[in-house]
Amino acid sequence: NAGVTQTPKFRVLKTGQSMTLLCAQDMNHEYMYWYRQDPGMGLRLIHYSVGEGTTAKGEVPDGYNVSRLKKQNFLLGLESAAPSQTSVYFCASSYSLVSGTSGGAYNEQFFGPGTRLTVL
Amino acid sequence: KQEVTQIPAALSVPEGENLVLNCSFTDSAIYNLQWFRQDPGKGLTSLLLIQSSQREQTSGRLNASLDKSSGRSTLYIAASQPGDSATYLCAVMFNNAGNMLTFGGGTRLMVKP
Repeated sequence: NAGVTQTPKFRVLKTGQSMTLLCAQDMNHEYMYWYRQDPGMGLRLIHYSVGEGTTAKGEVPDGYNVSRLKKQNFLLGLESAAPSQTSVYFCASSYSLVSGTSGGAYNEQFFGPGTRLTVL
Repeated sequence: KQEVTQIPAALSVPEGENLVLNCSFTDSAIYNLQWFRQDPGKGLTSLLLIQSSQREQTSGRLNASLDKSSGRSTLYIAASQPGDSATYLCAVMFNNAGNMLTFGGGTRLMVKP
């Protein structure tokens, strides 16, 4: 099992350019997530998906779009990149929110290696 | 706003020492809490997940505890080794936040030989 993989690992864009980040998982997980990690801000959720063909906004969705056409893939798009989008992007996946035997939920999230994006 | 806080932000200990990392959260209504390890320039590795109905989880030299009523979790590392040097992140899934994990700022641990 490769787990969660991300393409590309590094990218440099000029302001206004567009690009798509690809996330793939081979664990048959229903849920997939895109996070960004910035110094002093920690990890923040951009968008997520609870199944093929569905997407939802997270904490910081502006400037990004996502698509989940296949269960194993989750794409993050930047239509017009801005310097504020310079960050490290992480994809994650998990099983659905399954309740435990007496409350709680077990849906451990597994993360990819990240994509380091610089927007000049 | 629901928040997760980790103190201290950085910690340096000699090899062999037992240590405790702290995580606090502002709302006791949670689905679960997850501890991660992040090495410099790398992704996150899941260490332990504690469901809201559980008090603790153990994996090797790691033990994580959860006290929902006080909004606290601790990660205990026994007999620390230089290979344990990394940033440790705590993340909480709050009940009313859908599937979103709220992360703490992390504790950067250095274990000196």
